[in-house]
Amino acid sequence: AQTVTQSQPEMSVQEAETVTLSCTYDTSESDYYLFWYKQPPSRQMILVIRQEAYKQQNATENRFSVNFQKAAKSFSLKISDSQLGDAAMYFCAYRSARGGSQGNLIFGKGTKLSVKP
Amino acid sequence: DVKVTQSSRYLVKRTGEKVFLECVQDMDHENMFWYRQDPGLGLRLIYFSYDVKMKEKGDIPEGYSVSREKKERFSLILESASTNQTSMYLCASSPIGTGSNQPQHFGDGTRLSIL
Repeated sequence: AQTVTQSQPEMSVQEAETVTLSCTYDTSESDYYLFWYKQPPSRQMILVIRQEAYKQQNATENRFSVNFQKAAKSFSLKISDSQLGDAAMYFCAYRSARGGSQGNLIFGKGTKLSVKP
Repeated sequence: DVKVTQSSRYLVKRTGEKVFLECVQDMDHENMFWYRQDPGLGLRLIYFSYDVKMKEKGDIPEGYSVSREKKERFSLILESASTNQTSMYLCASSPIGTGSNQPQHFGDGTRLSIL
């Protein structure tokens, strides 16, 4: 079974600085998708960024980018120019490319990010 | 934008009560999911549904059941609430094609307390 590990329960960053959140996963599959979700305090969980395993190029979305290392099974999230609104729980998630229940999301336990003004 | 609406943000019930958590999505998504979120444990899948009247167990289905009579609505039922079911419950939906890069869209969550 696949697993997702986020080794940093909490992280802190100074406003305008850069922070990297770690995520590793375990799978024997070659085709899958990876996601980072953000859950602000008392607010809805939203998608931050996604990566297809077959793509070598790292995904970017404005200030958010990933470092996808397929061989190392690592999928870290980099937040540049951190803003107060970036403070949230961040969840890394894995999805097999297979259909059915095997294609359900598997979440890590989350990293709580604090942003200091 | 996709809208996933959960009927209650906060709910307090008593041990032994039958509890209904309702979720409605407005994007005609085939897939709907119920998760439980606890500190330090992340999100754990309770039940999911790929179509009307279809349901499948997730990782922690014990003590729960679900109902999907209409495509847009997915209900989570606690048959006899217990204190260990105090938690945050999240509903999500996604278009057909699990095993794709399409994200799940989440509701605001229901914080349920069982006294």
